[in-house]
Amino acid sequence: GDSVTQTEGPVTLSEGTSLTVNCSYETKQYPTLFWYVQYPGEGPQLLFKVPKANEKGSNRGFEATYNKEATSFHLQKASVQESDSAVYYCALSDQGSNNRIFFGDGTQLVVKP
Amino acid sequence: AQTIHQWPVAEIKAVGSPLSLGCTIKGKSSPNLYWYWQATGGTLQQLFYSITVGQVESVVQLNLSASRPKDDQFILSTEKLLLSHSGFYLCAWSYRGPSYEQYFGPGTRLTVL
Repeated sequence: GDSVTQTEGPVTLSEGTSLTVNCSYETKQYPTLFWYVQYPGEGPQLLFKVPKANEKGSNRGFEATYNKEATSFHLQKASVQESDSAVYYCALSDQGSNNRIFFGDGTQLVVKP
Repeated sequence: AQTIHQWPVAEIKAVGSPLSLGCTIKGKSSPNLYWYWQATGGTLQQLFYSITVGQVESVVQLNLSASRPKDDQFILSTEKLLLSHSGFYLCAWSYRGPSYEQYFGPGTRLTVL
């Protein structure tokens, strides 16, 4: 079945440093890949999605490239801010997923000033 | 613009008591609707989804049930709460069809004592 594995958190960084959250996925279909962000006490928000292999998604300085060969979709940001502190979820959906989005376990990011 | 409203915002209930949580979507006709559960500090667990009025599919039941009495309304309920039902309940919607992103509501925090 479909699954998503991502960097185990928490990840603690200082403001201004770079971020990489690893995400790898398993599916027999051709997935659409997502990154969601969840702030404390709120529902998850879509950060961006990438429906096609070898394309890049980006939003708010975050970016990720859909690497079909490596089955990866790593989240990166060049310079994190304290306001980026949140939980980040990698996820996938595909034609055979029966209206499901498969979420990874989430990676908590803590950015210290 | 579409809006998603969940009620109540928070509940404190006794073990063995009944529960009803609600979700309403405005500004979008015939959406797919979803219920998720999230334990404190945990990942997102999809519980139910519905693609049309009167039809609900179970993904993981957890001794809960769901109904869709109207196109824009999704209800989650149980007759007897367990301690393990505590957590954050999220409603989400998406456009019809696979591989669409889901948009989450603000959530309901449930504490079972």
